[in-house]
Amino acid sequence: NAGVTQTPKFQVLKTGQSMTLQCAQDMNHEYMSWYRQDPGMGLRLIHYSVGAGITDQGEVPNGYNVSRSTTEDFPLRLLSAAPSQTSVYFCASSPTYREETQYFGPGTRLLVL
Amino acid sequence: AQTVTQSQPEMSVQEAETVTLSCTYDTSESDYYLFWYKQPPSRQMILVIRQEAYKQQNATENRFSVNFQKAAKSFSLKISDSQLGDAAMYFCAYRTDTGANSKLTFGKGITLSVRP
Repeated sequence: NAGVTQTPKFQVLKTGQSMTLQCAQDMNHEYMSWYRQDPGMGLRLIHYSVGAGITDQGEVPNGYNVSRSTTEDFPLRLLSAAPSQTSVYFCASSPTYREETQYFGPGTRLLVL
Repeated sequence: AQTVTQSQPEMSVQEAETVTLSCTYDTSESDYYLFWYKQPPSRQMILVIRQEAYKQQNATENRFSVNFQKAAKSFSLKISDSQLGDAAMYFCAYRTDTGANSKLTFGKGITLSVRP
């Protein structure tokens, strides 16, 4: 049981490049979400999913796309990276959206030049 | 909209002493959950303790306890017998009890250092 895993751990992109941040969980959790963490800002919700095939926007969705084709995976796509997307990204999951406790992955540090 | 405020950006405590981290929140909901997360230098977000708003009893987890004052919308974390491994950033967070779009709202965090 690996919990929530994220890849890569660190990535450098040039402005305008695209990439996908991977998130997977092996706990059969229905609810998954993506947060970004910026200095002095805490964590802010980007997108979330309450189950396979269902996604919705959080506080700061602009510039990011998500999909949820399986229960296990919830990738986050940056279509055209911008320096403002330099951040640490966390994926989290919980058994259902009603479960109050979310379990976080180790994070992906992204630097956009 | 719900907000979570952690007004102290940094705190320091002597090893073996007790420290209290403050958190206030604003909400119009009556049912919700409150959390403290710890983020060590590894960046992993680790749940420290949680509190259900409908419970009057303050949550306790070993050396960690909370002082939950619902009327005052205050949720402070007390760390007893502080250890060097407690040094980390601590985030207070809030989550409503309703709806599929219920999300975690985080405060800006507080950096705790522990002096040997």
